[in-house]
Amino acid sequence: QKEVEQNSGPLSVPEGAIASLNCTYSDRGSQSFFWYRQYSGKSPELIMFIYSNGDKEDGRFTAQLNKASQYVSLLIRDSQPSDSATYLCAVNLSGNTGKLIFGQGTTLQVKP
Amino acid sequence: EADIYQTPRYLVIGTGKKITLECSQTMGHDKMYWYQQDPGMELHLIHYSYGVNSTEKGDLSSESTVSRIRTEHFPLTLESARPSHTSQYLCASSEKPRWSGGMNEQFFGPGTRLTVL
Repeated sequence: QKEVEQNSGPLSVPEGAIASLNCTYSDRGSQSFFWYRQYSGKSPELIMFIYSNGDKEDGRFTAQLNKASQYVSLLIRDSQPSDSATYLCAVNLSGNTGKLIFGQGTTLQVKP
Repeated sequence: EADIYQTPRYLVIGTGKKITLECSQTMGHDKMYWYQQDPGMELHLIHYSYGVNSTEKGDLSSESTVSRIRTEHFPLTLESARPSHTSQYLCASSEKPRWSGGMNEQFFGPGTRLTVL
C-alpha cells in the first residue's frame, strides 16, 4: 500500500460543476496536508493546506480532512476549463517533519 | 509569491558531461529539496537539506550530489550525465514548522528540464 494514494483519473466534469478529488494516507499520525495543482510541463503550485479536521474554504476551493478515516479531499466549485490540471495531494508523515510524501496525482479535465 | 529560482530552465547535453543545476531562494527558508519527475509521473524526492552544511538523500536513489554552503543556495551536480538522467528536476523550499510535528508548505521553483543525449 502506498503511503499516499490518489485515483489517477482522468476525472472529467462539465464546466460549472463541482469537482471532487480524493486522497487517502496510511499514517494515522500525519498532521499536515497539502493540495498542489500542476499544469502540464510546469511545477506544482500550492492551492491549500489543512491541519485540522473539518472543512477549510478558500474561494472556489474547499479542503476537507477526516483524520479518523485518513482521507483528505479537495472540492472545486464552479469548475472552469482553466482548472484542468493534475492535482497532487501531499502529506507530512508523523515522525518525519522534514519531508512531504506526494500522491501520484489526479488529472482533472473540465469540459466547456 | 514564492521567490525560488532555477537555472538553467532547459539543458541538452551529451553523455559523460558534468552538470550543475542551480537553485536559489530569497525567502530565508531553512529547508530545501530536490525532486525528480518524469512526464506524467510522480514526484520523487532525491535530496533534501535542513540547513547549512546539512544534506540527506531522499527516497529515490540518485547518482547526483548536492551541497548547502549558503542558506539561499542548493545546487545539484551530476558528475557524468547519462541518458537515464533525462528528466525534470524541481527544487523546493519551506520554512520551519509552525509547531512541533507539523510542517509548512513547500514552494517550488520553475524546474529544469534536462535531456542527456
